Amino acid sequence: DQQVKQNSPSLSVQEGRISILNCDYTNSMFDYFLWYKKYPAEGPTFLISISSIKDKNEDGRFTVFLNKSAKHLSLHIVPSQPGDSAVYFCAATSQTGGTSYGKLTFGQGTILTVHP
Amino acid sequence: DTGVSQDPRHKITKRGQNVTFRCDPISEHNRLYWYRQTLGQGPEFLTYFQNEAQLEKSRLLSDRFSAERPKGSFSTLEIQRTEQGDSAMYLCASSLARDTSYEQYFGPGTRLTVT
Repeated sequence: DQQVKQNSPSLSVQEGRISILNCDYTNSMFDYFLWYKKYPAEGPTFLISISSIKDKNEDGRFTVFLNKSAKHLSLHIVPSQPGDSAVYFCAATSQTGGTSYGKLTFGQGTILTVHP
Repeated sequence: DTGVSQDPRHKITKRGQNVTFRCDPISEHNRLYWYRQTLGQGPEFLTYFQNEAQLEKSRLLSDRFSAERPKGSFSTLEIQRTEQGDSAMYLCASSLARDTSYEQYFGPGTRLTVT
């Protein structure tokens, strides 16, 4: 039961263009979402997050959009740089409930390649 | 702030042997998580500690797995009688309990290979 899905295994873009990574979720209890970036031989690095009370959050070149009705979120990277080449994971958690401890449920990841 | 550290980074063991991994979280973080990641998949939750209390274990964590966080600081994950299916990257993460943020900070992982 894959509650968080990233349906595109890979994405290739040209330097300077926009990268759009997508993520879908099925669990209605999820109300906080995060994006992580992972380089080979390293642990995931936190990028940006969004709470379900918002539909957009921006941090520099990174913007996350949340469409709650569609249970869909996306990460936009503008402009893309070769150093952005990595695996990107979408993750979700629930802030509600008796033990709102922030256990993360991850998607399968999307490999982003930015060509110079 | 030195980040989350894990030791060892790589472990090769023979089937049936026991292995133990260590995680040192960011010093002020009271929450500590273990995840497992296999090739082509995202990290999967294994277990969670708040301070020294283990509050949840995933059904992925069989009886051969045990985790401790004895003084609410570092944590250990032990796998007894390893099987080839245990081969994976074991990731540790920590966070500070806050109402407005759920970011977890990951260590570099321990890659386990069971031969």
